[in-house]
Amino acid sequence: DVKVTQSSRYLVKRTGEKVFLECVQDMDHENMFWYRQDPGLGLRLIYFSYDVKMKEKGDIPEGYSVSREKKERFSLILESASTNQTSMYLCASSLGSGSYNEQFFGPGTRLTVL
Amino acid sequence: AQTVTQSQPEMSVQEAETVTLSCTYDTSESDYYLFWYKQPPSRQMILVIRQEAYKQQNATENRFSVNFQKAAKSFSLKISDSQLGDAAMYFCAHGGHMEYGNKLVFGAGTILRVKS
Repeated sequence: DVKVTQSSRYLVKRTGEKVFLECVQDMDHENMFWYRQDPGLGLRLIYFSYDVKMKEKGDIPEGYSVSREKKERFSLILESASTNQTSMYLCASSLGSGSYNEQFFGPGTRLTVL
Repeated sequence: AQTVTQSQPEMSVQEAETVTLSCTYDTSESDYYLFWYKQPPSRQMILVIRQEAYKQQNATENRFSVNFQKAAKSFSLKISDSQLGDAAMYFCAHGGHMEYGNKLVFGAGTILRVKS
């Protein structure tokens, strides 16, 4: 069964802290994605990766960085968390480069920055 | 840049009835895919249905079907015989071609409530 897991369902951090969100997929997918989901805005792409050590900025990369050292793992890093980064973060993965490929999503991490 | 608009923040349907969720999009591409994803409460988002822009025939998956109007850039989702398990947030998404990967642009979502 296809599986994307995220390290935490809920996370509470303080302003200025460095935050790591981890995502692991067991499907040997080339592509991995980080989105944030906010009410009224849908999902917005932060970063994606199409191969190990390769990354591309999405639509809202400011304040975030990513790391992909292994094919199955994609990390989102908030270098210095701010309150406007309070959100639901969703990780996804997909196979290959075809635009028809389904993205498989993790359960999400609800991050609160105080 | 692609944009996706879902103009209905919330919809309600009676169990066993039919409901249609609206989606419009804007793109300059000729080759693309459109998707509907479902996000049940506290559960993972899953794909409901997808449509290739080149195919004129509307996609169907059991009780789910789409009305794809390419010229109007409209992509609505019809759910027939609605069930309680259909209650969820539904997202419309546009998938365009990229050199690497398959980037999706999502709409704001529509919350569907199913009444028993």
